[in-house]
Amino acid sequence: SQQGEEDPQALSIQEGENATMNCSYKTSINNLQWYRQNSGRGLVHLILIRSNEREKHSGRLRVTLDTSKKSSSLLITASRAADTASYFCAPQGSQGGKLIFGQGTELSVKP
Amino acid sequence: GAGVSQSPSNKVTEKGKDVELRCDPISGHTALYWYRQSLGQGLEFLIYFQGNSAPDKSGLPSDRFSAERTGGSVSTLTIQRTQQEDSAVYLCASSAQGARETQYFGPGTRLLVL
Repeated sequence: SQQGEEDPQALSIQEGENATMNCSYKTSINNLQWYRQNSGRGLVHLILIRSNEREKHSGRLRVTLDTSKKSSSLLITASRAADTASYFCAPQGSQGGKLIFGQGTELSVKP
Repeated sequence: GAGVSQSPSNKVTEKGKDVELRCDPISGHTALYWYRQSLGQGLEFLIYFQGNSAPDKSGLPSDRFSAERTGGSVSTLTIQRTQQEDSAVYLCASSAQGARETQYFGPGTRLLVL
């Protein structure tokens, strides 16, 4: 399956520091999507990176993709307390359709 | 514009009762997905509708679960004879154009089966 597996499972940092979360998957993908979830409710889409892209930026977020290693990373720079949330990567296979989520990385940013 | 909406936001029911959960996707989105998330778990895919194609039901956990999408827009997820293990947050998502685009999620319906 193309399930994403995030690492680490939990990360605690101080405000202003950078946070890096990693994702590994097993099969070929069309794209990989990163989501944030607060308080166990709806997911907020952060970035979609396609299999032919290597890096993508959005504000304080930077996502990389290495298809040869079947891995992706999400970097949040200059973190804020409001970034405290669970972060999920969701690879999407070449057929598209369903996303297969891992358990996520729980990020805690302390003021 | 409006995002994905779901109703109800919370539902408490007794074991054995049927429940219906509703999802209104973003207008114009052709693909609609249902997922569920049990306490402390990741998201589990349930079912996926794409245009007029037959839905991908491969994630439905049992025949007590069914879903329909009327007129290519609103979708209803029905759980018959609910069990306590059905307690979870049920999330709906939609995407534009088809299967390889960003999925936008609704706020979810929190279902508690007593």
